[in-house]
Amino acid sequence: DQQVKQNSPSLSVQEGRISILNCDYTNSMFDYFLWYKKYPAEGPTFLISISSIKDKNEDGRFTVFLNKSAKHLSLHIVPSQPGDSAVYFCAATMNYGGSQGNLIFGKGTKLSVKP
Amino acid sequence: DVKVTQSSRYLVKRTGEKVFLECVQDMDHENMFWYRQDPGLGLRLIYFSYDVKMKEKGDIPEGYSVSREKKERFSLILESASTNQTSMYLCASSYGWTGAYEQYFGPGTRLTVT
Repeated sequence: DQQVKQNSPSLSVQEGRISILNCDYTNSMFDYFLWYKKYPAEGPTFLISISSIKDKNEDGRFTVFLNKSAKHLSLHIVPSQPGDSAVYFCAATMNYGGSQGNLIFGKGTKLSVKP
Repeated sequence: DVKVTQSSRYLVKRTGEKVFLECVQDMDHENMFWYRQDPGLGLRLIYFSYDVKMKEKGDIPEGYSVSREKKERFSLILESASTNQTSMYLCASSYGWTGAYEQYFGPGTRLTVT
């Protein structure tokens, strides 16, 4: 059973516009969420994270929003650039017993930013 | 700067061969992980380790084993490679203390089993 879901396999956006990538989770024990970016033939790189005690975290062009009641988070990229074209993975974890350190990943959303 | 290296970027092996994938990290991380990435399936955890000599099964351990004899090195072993193990293999590491959730990934090994 998927605990972290990214329901959109792909997203296409025009350069300069906003990209919104969505992620839903089912486990209410998750208390920390991360976004990773992956280019082809490279390992994922950490982008931004948010703790469950916050509802927003911003880093430059990237903002993550967390709606705990809806068990939903989203990554906003403004403005989108062609170099942002990559697969974006949402991940969640909980600080609970033996699961500490393990990330549960979604299946990813492929973002294409067109010039 | 954290560095996670993997022994090969591309590997081609034959069915039935024993395959070793090596991963080394230079940040004295306690935790190390092996994932495989397949199109449409995301990243799936194979095995992980919280300390030297320790190993825990992830979501898809069948057909794999691991070894962690030194803190900086985590090896993934395919005992008898099969074509359904053709995939991108990713190693990651992280600190072991509470709240240190970020995992650092290596560049990946693209394994093809023929």
